[in-house]
Amino acid sequence: DAGVTQSPTHLIKTRGQQVTLRCSPKSGHDTVSWYQQALGQGPQFIFQYYEEEERQRGNFPDRFSGHQFPNYSSELNVNALLLGDSALYLCASSFGTGGSNQPQHFGDGTRLSIL
Amino acid sequence: AQRVTQPEKLLSVFKGAPVELKCNYSYSGSPELFWYVQYSRQRLQLLLRHISRESIKGFTADLNKGETSFHLKKPFAQEEDSAMYYCALSRIQGAQKLVFGQGTRLTINP
Repeated sequence: DAGVTQSPTHLIKTRGQQVTLRCSPKSGHDTVSWYQQALGQGPQFIFQYYEEEERQRGNFPDRFSGHQFPNYSSELNVNALLLGDSALYLCASSFGTGGSNQPQHFGDGTRLSIL
Repeated sequence: AQRVTQPEKLLSVFKGAPVELKCNYSYSGSPELFWYVQYSRQRLQLLLRHISRESIKGFTADLNKGETSFHLKKPFAQEEDSAMYYCALSRIQGAQKLVFGQGTRLTINP
């Protein structure tokens, strides 16, 4: 089991563009969370998907949107990119039944650079 | 407001010396506390969680609700403990949003 896989590894975009990042959860996991990690900071929660619905959202603007597919994989979309969106984007998966709190497993992340 | 504070960005100790990485939190309710670790060129991984009450790689952490702290300790540091350590919290049940601290870079000197 490769665990959580993210693609691409690195991405360079310019201001105003749009980007899509992808995540495949660890086998057996059905919940996907996305985090943004700026340089020198801890990861910051963006949103979480369970049963193809956004279950919880952090303090991020609507430019950040996501999707979860029937196979539990997920996408993070960011529109109208700003220089401040440059960061490492982490995907984490877990098995969530709504009532339990299972540990999250993280991917290697996608390094997004905005020029 | 939910907040995790790790007051030390950098911590350097000698091999064999005791290690303590500090973590304080603010949370209305009863959170679950975690320590995550990121070794060089590896992904972020769970080290331990307070509800498990276990020792991983010689590390322990006790939740002190009175002081709202969850400090990570190890009596004798080893060179392979050098890594980035993040303290995090979440609700005990339901949604599993993790709130992270800024992290502490631990360096073990030979």
